[in-house]
Amino acid sequence: DVKVTQSSRYLVKRTGEKVFLECVQDMDHENMFWYRQDPGLGLRLIYFSYDVKMKEKGDIPEGYSVSREKKERFSLILESASTNQTSMYLCASSSLDSEETQYFGPGTRLLVL
Amino acid sequence: GNSVTQMEGPVTLSEEAFLTINCTYTATGYPSLFWYVQYPGEGLQLLLKATKADDKGSNKGFEATYRKETTSFHLEKGSVQVSDSAVYFCALSPNDYKLSFGAGTTVTVRA
Repeated sequence: DVKVTQSSRYLVKRTGEKVFLECVQDMDHENMFWYRQDPGLGLRLIYFSYDVKMKEKGDIPEGYSVSREKKERFSLILESASTNQTSMYLCASSSLDSEETQYFGPGTRLLVL
Repeated sequence: GNSVTQMEGPVTLSEEAFLTINCTYTATGYPSLFWYVQYPGEGLQLLLKATKADDKGSNKGFEATYRKETTSFHLEKGSVQVSDSAVYFCALSPNDYKLSFGAGTTVTVRA
């Protein structure tokens, strides 16, 4: 059974803190993604990685960075958290054989106070 | 650019009712179309997909037909169950890695 796991289901942080969200997939997928999900806006792509150490900006990369040191792990970093980054964060992965079919983790609900 | 518009919710139905969620899209070329479902407390999972015009995707009693002439991909189920309560997302891909999602429609089915 395919699996994408995220390090935390719920997280509460203070404005200005550095925040790390971790995602691990066990499917040997090349592609990994970070989205944020907000009511009425659907999912918006923050960053995408197609290989180790490779990354591309998505639609809303401002205020975020990412790291992919190993194929199975993709980290999202909020350098200095702000209240407008309060959201649900979803990680996903896909293979090169079937790029448009993405497998999602359960999400991390982040609250920035 | 690519975009997806789906009907706003929330939608509340009784068990065994007929469900339709409208989805229209704007895209260049011939994208693939998808419905993803998010059950409470879970991530999204692929429900069904169609890759070319007039294709019908189906799964778990849900169906959607890729209509190029109306740029639509409406989701239907003939008889819903309480377990179908979820958020449904329409999405498209220009046949690469990227997915563009609609805003999501929350469906609640009452017993």
